[in-house]
Amino acid sequence: EVVMMQSPATLSVSPGERATLSCRASQSVSNNVAWLQQKPGQAPKVLIHGASTRATGIPARFSGSGSGTEFTLTISSPQSEDSAVYFCQQYNNWRTFGQGTKLEIK
Amino acid sequence: QVQLVQSGAEVKKPGASVKVSCKASGYTFTSYGMHWVRQAPGQGPELMAWINTGSGDATYSQKFQGRLTLTRDTSATIAYMELSSLRSEDTAVYYCVCFDCGDYWGQGTLVTVSS
Repeated sequence: EVVMMQSPATLSVSPGERATLSCRASQSVSNNVAWLQQKPGQAPKVLIHGASTRATGIPARFSGSGSGTEFTLTISSPQSEDSAVYFCQQYNNWRTFGQGTKLEIK
Repeated sequence: QVQLVQSGAEVKKPGASVKVSCKASGYTFTSYGMHWVRQAPGQGPELMAWINTGSGDATYSQKFQGRLTLTRDTSATIAYMELSSLRSEDTAVYYCVCFDCGDYWGQGTLVTVSS
Protein backbone atom coordinates (compact mmCIF):
# COMPACT_ATOMS: atom_id res chain seq x y z
CA GLU A 1 0.00 0.00 0.00
CA VAL A 2 1.22 3.48 -0.85
CA VAL A 3 1.44 5.56 2.34
CA MET A 4 0.90 9.31 2.00
CA MET A 5 2.54 11.37 4.74
CA GLN A 6 1.47 14.97 5.24
CA SER A 7 3.19 17.79 7.08
CA PRO A 8 2.70 19.77 9.13
CA ALA A 9 -0.28 18.37 11.04
CA THR A 10 -1.43 21.91 11.83
CA LEU A 11 -0.53 25.17 10.14
CA SER A 12 -1.54 28.59 11.35
CA VAL A 13 -1.11 31.60 9.05
CA SER A 14 -2.34 35.16 8.88
CA PRO A 15 -4.66 36.27 6.08
CA GLY A 16 -2.57 36.93 2.98
CA GLU A 17 0.45 34.97 4.28
CA ARG A 18 1.44 32.16 1.92
CA ALA A 19 0.57 28.66 3.16
CA THR A 20 2.62 25.66 2.02
CA LEU A 21 1.39 22.13 2.70
CA SER A 22 3.51 19.07 1.95
CA CYS A 23 2.79 15.47 1.08
CA ARG A 24 5.27 12.63 0.60
CA ALA A 25 4.46 9.25 -0.94
CA SER A 26 6.17 6.06 0.24
CA GLN A 27 6.85 5.16 -3.41
CA SER A 28 6.58 6.95 -6.73
CA VAL A 29 3.03 7.77 -7.77
CA SER A 30 3.98 9.76 -10.88
CA ASN A 31 1.69 12.82 -10.95
CA ASN A 32 -1.40 10.89 -9.89
CA VAL A 33 -2.11 13.03 -6.85
CA ALA A 34 -5.12 15.07 -5.84
CA TRP A 35 -5.59 17.59 -3.07
CA LEU A 36 -8.91 17.81 -1.25
CA GLN A 37 -10.37 20.33 1.17
CA GLN A 38 -12.73 19.33 3.96
CA LYS A 39 -14.70 21.67 6.17
CA PRO A 40 -16.45 20.49 9.35
CA GLY A 41 -19.51 18.38 8.67
CA GLN A 42 -18.93 18.33 4.91
CA ALA A 43 -17.64 15.82 2.41
CA PRO A 44 -14.17 16.43 0.98
CA LYS A 45 -13.99 18.56 -2.16
CA VAL A 46 -11.30 18.20 -4.80
CA LEU A 47 -9.11 21.24 -5.39
CA ILE A 48 -6.29 19.86 -7.51
CA HIS A 49 -5.87 16.72 -9.64
CA GLY A 50 -2.97 15.49 -11.70
CA ALA A 51 -0.72 17.10 -9.04
CA SER A 52 -1.10 20.59 -10.54
CA THR A 53 -4.42 21.01 -12.39
CA ARG A 54 -7.04 23.06 -10.59
CA ALA A 55 -10.51 21.55 -10.56
CA THR A 56 -13.37 23.52 -12.10
CA GLY A 57 -14.24 26.61 -10.11
CA ILE A 58 -11.25 26.50 -7.77
CA PRO A 59 -9.67 29.93 -7.20
CA ALA A 60 -6.26 30.66 -8.68
CA ARG A 61 -4.75 31.17 -5.21
CA PHE A 62 -4.64 27.37 -4.92
CA SER A 63 -1.78 25.70 -6.78
CA GLY A 64 -0.20 22.27 -6.72
CA SER A 65 3.22 21.02 -7.71
CA GLY A 66 5.43 17.96 -7.56
CA SER A 67 5.82 14.52 -9.07
CA GLY A 68 7.18 11.15 -8.03
CA THR A 69 7.12 11.19 -4.25
CA GLU A 70 7.08 14.86 -3.21
CA PHE A 71 4.05 17.12 -3.59
CA THR A 72 3.07 20.57 -2.43
CA LEU A 73 -0.17 22.51 -2.16
CA THR A 74 0.33 26.26 -1.98
CA ILE A 75 -2.30 28.80 -1.05
CA SER A 76 -0.83 32.09 -2.16
CA SER A 77 -3.01 34.47 -0.14
CA PRO A 78 -5.27 32.52 2.20
CA GLN A 79 -8.68 33.86 3.06
CA SER A 80 -10.69 33.16 6.19
CA GLU A 81 -12.88 30.72 4.25
CA ASP A 82 -9.82 28.56 3.53
CA SER A 83 -9.74 27.34 7.14
CA ALA A 84 -10.19 23.59 6.70
CA VAL A 85 -8.42 20.25 6.71
CA TYR A 86 -6.51 19.43 3.53
CA PHE A 87 -5.80 15.89 2.37
CA CYS A 88 -3.56 14.59 -0.35
CA GLN A 89 -4.63 11.46 -2.23
CA GLN A 90 -2.76 9.24 -4.64
CA TYR A 91 -4.58 7.28 -7.34
CA ASN A 92 -1.63 5.63 -9.04
CA ASN A 93 -2.06 2.38 -7.15
CA TRP A 94 -5.50 1.90 -5.58
CA ARG A 95 -6.33 5.14 -3.75
CA THR A 96 -4.83 6.17 -0.45
CA PHE A 97 -5.08 9.40 1.49
CA GLY A 98 -2.86 11.30 3.87
CA GLN A 99 -3.87 12.05 7.45
CA GLY A 100 -4.48 15.69 6.71
CA THR A 101 -3.16 19.15 7.52
CA LYS A 102 -5.42 21.44 9.51
CA LEU A 103 -5.07 25.00 8.23
CA GLU A 104 -6.03 27.80 10.57
CA ILE A 105 -6.31 31.39 9.41
CA LYS A 106 -5.51 33.62 12.37
CA GLN B 1 -25.82 18.04 -12.43
CA VAL B 2 -24.31 15.00 -10.78
CA GLN B 3 -25.82 14.16 -7.40
CA LEU B 4 -25.16 11.30 -5.02
CA VAL B 5 -27.70 11.07 -2.20
CA GLN B 6 -27.08 8.59 0.59
CA SER B 7 -29.35 6.98 3.14
CA GLY B 8 -29.56 8.24 6.69
CA ALA B 9 -27.51 7.67 9.81
CA GLU B 10 -27.49 4.23 11.41
CA VAL B 11 -26.81 2.94 14.91
CA LYS B 12 -25.85 -0.72 15.14
CA LYS B 13 -24.75 -3.17 17.81
CA PRO B 14 -21.47 -5.06 17.53
CA GLY B 15 -21.85 -8.10 15.31
CA ALA B 16 -24.70 -6.65 13.29
CA SER B 17 -24.69 -5.63 9.62
CA VAL B 18 -25.41 -2.29 7.96
CA LYS B 19 -26.49 -1.51 4.41
CA VAL B 20 -26.03 2.00 3.03
CA SER B 21 -27.56 3.16 -0.23
CA CYS B 22 -26.38 5.81 -2.70
CA LYS B 23 -28.83 7.18 -5.26
CA ALA B 24 -27.05 8.59 -8.31
CA SER B 25 -28.47 11.10 -10.78
CA GLY B 26 -27.31 13.54 -13.42
CA TYR B 27 -25.12 11.15 -15.40
CA THR B 28 -25.19 7.70 -17.03
CA PHE B 29 -24.94 5.45 -13.97
CA THR B 30 -23.36 2.49 -15.73
CA SER B 31 -20.60 4.53 -17.37
CA TYR B 32 -18.56 5.12 -14.20
CA GLY B 33 -17.48 3.05 -11.24
CA MET B 34 -18.78 3.82 -7.77
CA HIS B 35 -16.30 3.91 -4.92
CA TRP B 36 -16.96 3.63 -1.19
CA VAL B 37 -14.75 5.60 1.17
CA ARG B 38 -14.98 5.76 4.94
CA GLN B 39 -13.61 8.28 7.39
CA ALA B 40 -13.26 7.51 11.08
CA PRO B 41 -13.44 10.44 13.51
CA GLY B 42 -10.36 12.66 13.19
CA GLN B 43 -8.79 10.40 10.55
CA GLY B 44 -8.05 10.62 6.86
CA PRO B 45 -10.38 8.95 4.36
CA GLU B 46 -9.89 5.29 3.44
CA LEU B 47 -10.97 3.61 0.19
CA MET B 48 -12.84 0.41 1.01
CA ALA B 49 -13.89 -0.89 -2.41
CA TRP B 50 -15.39 0.02 -5.75
CA ILE B 51 -17.93 -1.51 -8.10
CA ASN B 52 -18.06 -1.55 -11.88
CA THR B 53 -21.66 -0.40 -12.19
CA GLY B 54 -21.90 -1.83 -15.70
CA SER B 55 -20.80 -5.40 -15.00
CA GLY B 56 -21.47 -5.51 -11.26
CA ASP B 57 -17.94 -6.70 -10.53
CA ALA B 58 -16.53 -5.35 -7.27
CA THR B 59 -12.95 -4.92 -6.07
CA TYR B 60 -12.36 -4.92 -2.33
CA SER B 61 -9.56 -3.72 -0.14
CA GLN B 62 -7.97 -6.74 1.51
CA LYS B 63 -8.80 -5.15 4.86
CA PHE B 64 -12.54 -5.70 4.27
CA GLN B 65 -12.48 -8.95 2.32
CA GLY B 66 -15.15 -11.31 3.53
CA ARG B 67 -17.37 -8.83 5.35
CA LEU B 68 -18.00 -6.15 2.71
CA THR B 69 -20.38 -6.51 -0.22
CA LEU B 70 -21.07 -3.96 -2.94
CA THR B 71 -24.09 -4.26 -5.21
CA ARG B 72 -26.04 -2.00 -7.52
CA ASP B 73 -29.49 -1.64 -9.05
CA THR B 74 -29.01 -0.24 -12.54
CA SER B 75 -32.71 0.42 -13.17
CA ALA B 76 -32.97 2.54 -10.02
CA THR B 77 -29.39 3.91 -10.33
CA ILE B 78 -28.62 3.01 -6.74
CA ALA B 79 -25.39 1.59 -5.35
CA TYR B 80 -25.30 -0.31 -2.07
CA MET B 81 -22.60 -1.01 0.50
CA GLU B 82 -23.17 -3.72 3.10
CA LEU B 83 -20.70 -4.25 5.94
CA SER B 84 -21.17 -7.19 8.30
CA SER B 85 -19.75 -8.32 11.65
CA LEU B 86 -19.58 -4.72 12.77
CA ARG B 87 -17.22 -3.68 15.56
CA SER B 88 -16.66 -0.40 17.35
CA GLU B 89 -13.75 0.45 15.04
CA ASP B 90 -16.24 0.58 12.13
CA THR B 91 -17.79 3.74 13.56
CA ALA B 92 -17.24 6.24 10.77
CA VAL B 93 -18.82 8.34 8.07
CA TYR B 94 -19.25 6.31 4.89
CA TYR B 95 -19.23 8.04 1.51
CA CYS B 96 -20.05 6.91 -2.00
CA VAL B 97 -17.83 8.66 -4.53
CA CYS B 98 -17.84 8.88 -8.31
CA PHE B 99 -14.19 9.74 -8.90
CA ASP B 100 -14.23 9.25 -12.64
CA CYS B 101 -17.23 11.48 -13.33
CA GLY B 102 -15.55 14.46 -11.71
CA ASP B 103 -14.87 13.59 -8.06
CA TYR B 104 -18.44 13.79 -6.83
CA TRP B 105 -19.04 12.73 -3.22
CA GLY B 106 -22.26 11.78 -1.48
CA GLN B 107 -23.16 13.69 1.65
CA GLY B 108 -21.97 10.84 3.87
CA THR B 109 -23.72 8.40 6.17
CA LEU B 110 -22.70 8.18 9.82
CA VAL B 111 -22.62 4.61 11.08
CA THR B 112 -22.23 4.26 14.82
CA VAL B 113 -21.42 0.87 16.30
CA SER B 114 -22.11 0.72 19.99
CA SER B 115 -23.45 -1.74 22.51
